[in-house]
Amino acid sequence: GQSLEQPSEVTAVEGAIVQMNCTYQTSGFYGLSWYQQHDGGAPTFLSYNALDGLEETGRFSSFLSRSDSYGYLLLQELQMKDSASYFCAASGNTPLVFGKGTRLSVIA
Amino acid sequence: EAGVAQSPRYKIIEKRQSVAFWCNPISGHATLYWYQQILGQGPKLLIQFQNNGVVDDSQLPKDRFSAERLKGVDSTLKIQPAKLEDSAVYLCASSLVGWSTASEAFFGQGTRLTVV
Repeated sequence: GQSLEQPSEVTAVEGAIVQMNCTYQTSGFYGLSWYQQHDGGAPTFLSYNALDGLEETGRFSSFLSRSDSYGYLLLQELQMKDSASYFCAASGNTPLVFGKGTRLSVIA
Repeated sequence: EAGVAQSPRYKIIEKRQSVAFWCNPISGHATLYWYQQILGQGPKLLIQFQNNGVVDDSQLPKDRFSAERLKGVDSTLKIQPAKLEDSAVYLCASSLVGWSTASEAFFGQGTRLTVV
């Protein structure tokens, strides 16, 4: 099976940078995805890492270390609209499993 | 392209009643997922289909939940009889590639079920 651990909450200031971590335990791991979910909305895909290293998409970057079973999502130039829950999800030889999510609050 | 369609958006039922949810995935997506999301928690996988075959249903409470995906396209999820703890948002998602290498799943807006 698979399990993922994420901090439950993080607060950051508008314009700053925030890092949200994810550690996983899994068998047959293929890759780590990140999803954003606003209150009352559907999860939306942000990024996916299959290989070690950093993937950058605009203000969002995601990192994976397969040897450490660890990844993180980095958000730069935080905006108020980034306030949401962020989930990591692992894919492998078991179906896509989500962590419990980190609730990000961006304050002025 | 059209997204994942789900209906209804909201449903309120009494405990012990039955309810069904419908999902139409993105055209051409072979993999379809049903997730249960309780308020404040991450989505929990209930069942995953690859075309019209079940890949994983290990967390589906089979005494009360059932799901089918006829002809490998639309899917329905049924609860019979419902319990108070079934109150949650039921999310349907689909992805293009096979489950072992799925990198992006597209989610519908979900059905918010309240059992009273």
